[in-house]
Amino acid sequence: GAVVSQHPSWVICKSGTSVKIECRSLDFQATTMFWYRQFPKQSLMLMATSNEGSKATYEQGVEKDKFLINHASLTLSTLTVTSAHPEDSSFYICSPRMASGRAVDYEQYFGPGTRLTVT
Amino acid sequence: AQSVTQLDSHVSVSEGTPVLLRCNYSSSYSPSLFWYVQHPNKGLQLLLKYTSAATLVKGINGFEAEFKKSETSFHLTKPSAHMSDAAEYFCVVSALSMFSGGYNKLIFGAGTRLAVHP
Repeated sequence: GAVVSQHPSWVICKSGTSVKIECRSLDFQATTMFWYRQFPKQSLMLMATSNEGSKATYEQGVEKDKFLINHASLTLSTLTVTSAHPEDSSFYICSPRMASGRAVDYEQYFGPGTRLTVT
Repeated sequence: AQSVTQLDSHVSVSEGTPVLLRCNYSSSYSPSLFWYVQHPNKGLQLLLKYTSAATLVKGINGFEAEFKKSETSFHLTKPSAHMSDAAEYFCVVSALSMFSGGYNKLIFGAGTRLAVHP
């Protein structure tokens, strides 16, 4: 299966600082990247979608200036949480999608996640 | 709009007994449906998916799910639970998204935590 890595796996930062999370698709090219957030004991909520080389599209209620997404290449995407606050503490999961054939056959994979704690 | 409802937040079974995780979906068109499993500190893993082919879908690790349009259900089953099946399970429906350029903007259910007892 496809391999997706995220770095760091966990991070603790002080309120007001920024944190960058990297997501890499190690053995395939991801034309589309999805970023999810998962609060404790809750489901995954889609934050934004980005296509390689294009600006990300954010879901309703997600601040684009706070969660900066860069999808500069087909194997790397980054999510930067700017001016983090304790309420941003969550589990962030990237999900690259490999496009091949019919749209209905697109395979979407998930990274192992990054646990962010803002103190 | 598409949505999924997982009817049980927690399911507890004994090892060797059957597993049933229930999921109902809502979709204005023929959906694609998925079951994912999330083990602690690991990425989500696809168990199986339905994409308008056979209504009985077989997945990995002995899991299977049946798409029932009349009941708008996609329940996940396994004949015999194993200790290693203990995890969080998510029922997922795909939704059309202009932004993602294709078919699968995934919408997750709330999840069902499966506990397996010896």
